[in-house]
Amino acid sequence: QKEVEQNSGPLSVPEGAIASLNCTYSDRGSQSFFWYRQYSGKSPELIMSIYSNGDKEDGRFTAQLNKASQYVSLLIRDSQPSDSATYLCAVNIANAGGTSYGKLTFGQGTILTVHP
Amino acid sequence: DAGVIQSPRHEVTEMGQEVTLRCKPISGHDYLFWYRQTMMRGLELLIYFNNNVPIDDSGMPEDRFSAKMPNASFSTLKIQPSEPRDSAVYFCASSFMDRKETQYFGPGTRLLVL
Repeated sequence: QKEVEQNSGPLSVPEGAIASLNCTYSDRGSQSFFWYRQYSGKSPELIMSIYSNGDKEDGRFTAQLNKASQYVSLLIRDSQPSDSATYLCAVNIANAGGTSYGKLTFGQGTILTVHP
Repeated sequence: DAGVIQSPRHEVTEMGQEVTLRCKPISGHDYLFWYRQTMMRGLELLIYFNNNVPIDDSGMPEDRFSAKMPNASFSTLKIQPSEPRDSAVYFCASSFMDRKETQYFGPGTRLLVL
């Protein structure tokens, strides 16, 4: 089982719709969770981080975390063509003492296409 | 403030040649990460440094790969000898101690080994 799993897509949504991106992880010791956006030919760009169960909203983006289900998601409201990109889920795992190593494990990414 | 700087942006070389990739982290950041990205394997962590000291190199694929960080503002990733399967995009990222998981990526070096 991969440590971080994402549906590779492509996920296609119409402009103005809600795009829902999902990610599951295998290590229950995971402490922090990130969503990166990567445009074709560009580097990953951090768009959301979430550390505790529940929802975190930032503009049109909402990250949701459920540690019991080992599940993290990203919702994009009012999707725009400029949101078309690959979205990478990343997970940070702490050591037994609870200290973060700083290492991130990335999923394979979900390709999102928003069509006009 | 300048972001992470990588050079060269593109590198084409022949199998067996030595390749050196360079990275300048964001000033004040004390963590530096080297990643490799391919279609097949996605984004993989190769090695990371804290305060110029290598902390975890378990992702380095084999002895042909080496990385150094001689000072806080410069790191290199060297492949010697290079092979076609090393063709990938290599990213450098940096972060700050208090938020070490929040990593900022450089533009990447696109490497093609013929």
